[in-house]
Amino acid sequence: NAGVTQTPKFQVLKTGQSMTLQCAQDMNHNSMYWYRQDPGMGLRLIYYSASEGTTDKGEVPNGYNVSRLNKREFSLRLESAAPSQTSVYFCASRGTDSNTEAFFGQGTRLTVV
Amino acid sequence: EDKVVQSPLSLVVHEGDTVTLNCSYEVTNFRSLLWYKQEKKAPTFLFMLTSSGIEKKSGRLSSILDKKELFSILNITATQTGDSAVYLCAAPGGSNYKLTFGKGTLLTVNP
Repeated sequence: NAGVTQTPKFQVLKTGQSMTLQCAQDMNHNSMYWYRQDPGMGLRLIYYSASEGTTDKGEVPNGYNVSRLNKREFSLRLESAAPSQTSVYFCASRGTDSNTEAFFGQGTRLTVV
Repeated sequence: EDKVVQSPLSLVVHEGDTVTLNCSYEVTNFRSLLWYKQEKKAPTFLFMLTSSGIEKKSGRLSSILDKKELFSILNITATQTGDSAVYLCAAPGGSNYKLTFGKGTLLTVNP
């Protein structure tokens, strides 16, 4: 049982380049999330998706776009990467039928130079 | 806007000490509070609390929720170096979809 799978694990981009972070879950969860983690800042919510076909902004959405392609997949796109987007990115998923915990992918370490 | 605030932000103790980590929250339509432990990778789930005053326990870790005062504590007794980690708390808010995390408490346990 894979849980939440994120790709890639590491990426180095030049300023202005674009890229897409991929996330897939196999737990039939409705809700999916993208967070970024910077030293001392905890997990800050970028975007979330309550269900297939819906997405909402979180705390720090600027510079990012997302797509909920289907129930399994939720991708995060950086259209024009900036050094301020250097961070560790985590995807998570969660069922919403009752009180449930979130399950996390292993993270993507992104460096923008 | 939903808020989750953790304190202290960092803590250094010696092996064998007992520590208490704090988490206060302000979220709409509160349903549950979650605790996670994060070592050098993805957060791992510790506890979910939904009812006031009922302690959840797992080995040397325990946690309790106070819905009247809007906070939770995580206790770790007889700390070990393996307890060194960032401890995160989170609460789903609004329509139960948005999951907000605090900044975490960095716990360092020295031998």
